[in-house]
Amino acid sequence: EAGVAQSPRYKIIEKRQSVAFWCNPISGHATLYWYQQILGQGPKLLIQFQNNGVVDDSQLPKDRFSAERLKGVDSTLKIQPAKLEDSAVYLCASSTGVGTQYFGPGTRLTVL
Amino acid sequence: DQQVKQNSPSLSVQEGRISILNCDYTNSMFDYFLWYKKYPAEGPTFLISISSIKDKNEDGRFTVFLNKSAKHLSLHIVPSQPGDSAVYFCAASPFSGGGADGLTFGKGTHLIIQP
Repeated sequence: EAGVAQSPRYKIIEKRQSVAFWCNPISGHATLYWYQQILGQGPKLLIQFQNNGVVDDSQLPKDRFSAERLKGVDSTLKIQPAKLEDSAVYLCASSTGVGTQYFGPGTRLTVL
Repeated sequence: DQQVKQNSPSLSVQEGRISILNCDYTNSMFDYFLWYKKYPAEGPTFLISISSIKDKNEDGRFTVFLNKSAKHLSLHIVPSQPGDSAVYFCAASPFSGGGADGLTFGKGTHLIIQP
């Protein structure tokens, strides 16, 4: 069974530029999550989708971050404009809706 | 305010001995607890979980213990092997039932298995 796919794996941008990350969950998983992991910290939830609807976006900085999952399968997370403090690994995870979340390899973002 | 705490940033254990990783939580709404293992440049890999209705769950060399009254859980690895060297994250979530169940993570413990 294929795992969670993410791209790109690495991205370097300058502050005030925009960037987008893509995630394709495990086939059949209705629930998709985006997490931000800053160096030395544990992952922090940004947003949770159930199919194509948002379940929880309480920790998403909505002035600059946006995410969508239009067809209830793959998802895109965007940052516009990026700040230095957005440098982190962005992790996507999926689950069947109950229980264990399975993570992708992450996208490492460096903002200069 | 950290709701999930892993107070040991690192732990060194001799190969073949038992590794014990600890985790404390403060949120009484947490109902489901998980341990993830992470190698550099990879995403977290699920290891083992436990529901709040249990106090122990075992899977091969890995056992998780939950003490709800103390809001404490621990992961035991026995015997420890060189491939177990990684960062271990404790995570917790409220019961989902299809609702919001995003994980709250600790900061991780770097386990080093010495030959």
